[in-house]
Amino acid sequence: RKEVEQDPGPFNVPEGATVAFNCTYSNSASQSFFWYRQDCRKEPKLLMSVYSSGNEDGRFTAQLNRASQYISLLIRDSKLSDSATYLCVVNQGGKLIFGQGTELSVKP
Amino acid sequence: GAVVSQHPSWVICKSGTSVKIECRSLDFQATTMFWYRQFPKQSLMLMATSNEGSKATYEQGVEKDKFLINHASLTLSTLTVTSAHPEDSSFYICSANDRGYEQYFGPGTRLTVT
Repeated sequence: RKEVEQDPGPFNVPEGATVAFNCTYSNSASQSFFWYRQDCRKEPKLLMSVYSSGNEDGRFTAQLNRASQYISLLIRDSKLSDSATYLCVVNQGGKLIFGQGTELSVKP
Repeated sequence: GAVVSQHPSWVICKSGTSVKIECRSLDFQATTMFWYRQFPKQSLMLMATSNEGSKATYEQGVEKDKFLINHASLTLSTLTVTSAHPEDSSFYICSANDRGYEQYFGPGTRLTVT
């Protein structure tokens, strides 16, 4: 079983749609959680950290459920520029463990 | 935010040769640097963790004699792929940690072995 699992997609959505990504992790001792964004042939860039209380940054909302070991990312009013691969990442003892990534394609 | 550079950004080499990739933290001192590898359509896989002045810690399944890591200063770590083969062709990315919890990623090096 992979340590961090995501639906690879692709998710093809029209502009303005709301899209949700899910992620599960296997190690209950994981300490911190993140969503990264990776554009084609580029390095990953931190999108946001994820907290149990939930956090929001503009059109992006992230949520963590430690009991279920489940992380989510919601993107509202999606833009063409949101097209990318979204990586679910957990920190285990200072090491970042990456999910496979979920590919999002936003169409006009 | 903090800046991490990598050099070269891409390299093509012949099978059997060695390739060195540099990772530099430009505006901060990196106590720890990490090396990742990413194959197409796959996730980033941590290869090794290096701390300045000490030997790197390799992840299970990564050959330490094939992937030589040197972290000689607080701003520079190098990864040398020795006797490269076509299956080593991949996207190699480094990241650096400045004592905080965020890792700053370099732009990556695309290695193609022919």
